[in-house]
Amino acid sequence: GAVVSQHPSWVICKSGTSVKIECRSLDFQATTMFWYRQFPKQSLMLMATSNEGSKATYEQGVEKDKFLINHASLTLSTLTVTSAHPEDSSFYICSATTSGLYETQYFGPGTRLLVL
Amino acid sequence: RKEVEQDPGPFNVPEGATVAFNCTYSNSASQSFFWYRQDCRKEPKLLMSVYSSGNEDGRFTAQLNRASQYISLLIRDSKLSDSATYLCVVTLPGGKLIFGQGTELSVKP
Repeated sequence: GAVVSQHPSWVICKSGTSVKIECRSLDFQATTMFWYRQFPKQSLMLMATSNEGSKATYEQGVEKDKFLINHASLTLSTLTVTSAHPEDSSFYICSATTSGLYETQYFGPGTRLLVL
Repeated sequence: RKEVEQDPGPFNVPEGATVAFNCTYSNSASQSFFWYRQDCRKEPKLLMSVYSSGNEDGRFTAQLNRASQYISLLIRDSKLSDSATYLCVVTLPGGKLIFGQGTELSVKP
């Protein structure tokens, strides 16, 4: 089946630094990638939808200047958490889909971010 | 009201037990319905789609009642390996996935 990777799998950083997370579709071209965030014991919350070559669409309440998303190619999307704070500590998961079939999303393994 | 609401859990059951998870959704325009499984510190994985006619995959049976906006998952003869968090997921018009908060299952020997 389709494989999506994320890098890094976990990161610990100091407050105020920026962290970049990569999401790659390894064996298919992803027209659309999604970024989710999951706090402990809570559901996955969609942060933004990213289409290759265009600006990401952010969900209500998600600051686009804080969570920078770049989808430069059909196999790579990046999420940069700028000036990270402890409350940004979370599990960030990306997913990718082909042909705009939102129901068929392939999830990456997630990135666990801890901001000290 | 949450868009997708699940039993709070956790469910602690012995091996071999039958366990049922319930889920309700608030948006009557929801189009597609799924159960995902998420292991601790891992990404969610699709377990099965849910159809109005009901569908079964081995020990797993899923049901959808559109009139009452209710989804269920039944696991028969539970195994230790079934221990995980089960996520109820619906798709809104336009394709956005909405996840429930999950119900944790712990199967004990």
